[in-house]
Amino acid sequence: EDQVTQSPEALRLQEGESSSLNCSYTVSGLRGLFWYRQDPGKGPEFLFTLYSAGEEKEKERLKATLTKKESFLHITAPKPEDSATYLCATISWVQGAQKLVFGQGTRLTINP
Amino acid sequence: GAVVSQHPSWVICKSGTSVKIECRSLDFQATTMFWYRQFPKQSLMLMATSNEGSKATYEQGVEKDKFLINHASLTLSTLTVTSAHPEDSSFYICSASGNNEQFFGPGTRLTVL
Repeated sequence: EDQVTQSPEALRLQEGESSSLNCSYTVSGLRGLFWYRQDPGKGPEFLFTLYSAGEEKEKERLKATLTKKESFLHITAPKPEDSATYLCATISWVQGAQKLVFGQGTRLTINP
Repeated sequence: GAVVSQHPSWVICKSGTSVKIECRSLDFQATTMFWYRQFPKQSLMLMATSNEGSKATYEQGVEKDKFLINHASLTLSTLTVTSAHPEDSSFYICSASGNNEQFFGPGTRLTVL
């Protein structure tokens, strides 16, 4: 069964303090690793899709990287507005149907 | 990115009543839409996969007679929570699939009294 595990569960940083969030996955044939940001009371907002090991994508202070077993979301010099829950997910095919398998998320808090 | 809307954004209802939630893809045609439920401080749990013009596929443990899904067009899917009870109170989120990516709606907060 495909599984996605995120760590840490929660992370508190000071403004400007860079760090990384981890997403480990076990899937039978990766078809995409997705990162989303979710603010309280809102739906997930798409950030990145990575398809192959070694791939990297950047958006403002965020950079996502991918290896054969895990993905990292690096946040550089974060600001308070970067506080959110970050979710990663992979695509799983079950009985011919495509579905996203989500990790539990990392709740990131950036203190000013 | 693509835009997906949900209506209503929040709803409060009495126990035993039914509630319909709409999910629309505004700028693309979505052959497949997904319905998720999210409890506080937990991740999204897939409830069902909805394909236009066919019956929805429900995840194990999700009652298809309680959570009715209709996907009548390429831009609209509806979820009806029938005979709602307080334990159905949750955050319901839909997503629409396009170009191997899923775009999520803003969610609907359902509170059953």
